[in-house]
Amino acid sequence: AQSVAQPEDQVNVAEGNPLTVKCTYSVSGNPYLFWYVQYPNRGLQFLLKYITGDNLVKGSYGFEAEFNKSQTSFHLKKPSALVSDSALYFCAVRDKWPGNTPLVFGKGTRLSVIA
Amino acid sequence: DTGVSQDPRHKITKRGQNVTFRCDPISEHNRLYWYRQTLGQGPEFLTYFQNEAQLEKSRLLSDRFSAERPKGSFSTLEIQRTEQGDSAMYLCASTEELQGPRAETQYFGPGTRLLVL
Repeated sequence: AQSVAQPEDQVNVAEGNPLTVKCTYSVSGNPYLFWYVQYPNRGLQFLLKYITGDNLVKGSYGFEAEFNKSQTSFHLKKPSALVSDSALYFCAVRDKWPGNTPLVFGKGTRLSVIA
Repeated sequence: DTGVSQDPRHKITKRGQNVTFRCDPISEHNRLYWYRQTLGQGPEFLTYFQNEAQLEKSRLLSDRFSAERPKGSFSTLEIQRTEQGDSAMYLCASTEELQGPRAETQYFGPGTRLLVL
């Protein structure tokens, strides 16, 4: 079975400081990994994904994530946080095969960036 | 290229009533997914379609839930005899079925928030 763990319910960071939102996963085969962001009363907005290739993936709004197979992690990072980054962040995974199957999401991490 | 749209955005109903939600995927996306998100949780898969065929249903999808995608375009999710436990955000997502960097990404709609009184 596939699963995702986001160990922190809440992350607080000062504006301008680097931020990290943690994610670990479990799949039986090769993972496809995703990060989404959710603003209040809105749907999920795609940030970035790891499918294959470079372990460091760059996405929207200056976010990046590093795939680490040995640690089964896919942490989301940003060098300099903005107040507007405050939102709910979800990590999701699915096994590579078969294709386009549903995603399994973590419980989410609420990021609060303080001015 | 318009995004995924969902209607209504909010629905308040009394226990025992039936409700129906609609999802319009991104044009030419042939896969469509329904998820449910409760407070403090991530989205949980309910069901998905490839064109008009319903390929998989989650155990979360009780007999009171039914979903259709009759012409392979928009989809409807109906809940019969609603219960207070059905209160949640219902999210729809769509994706293209192709290879390459655009493959695999599910694009989500704004959701329908259901409150059952």
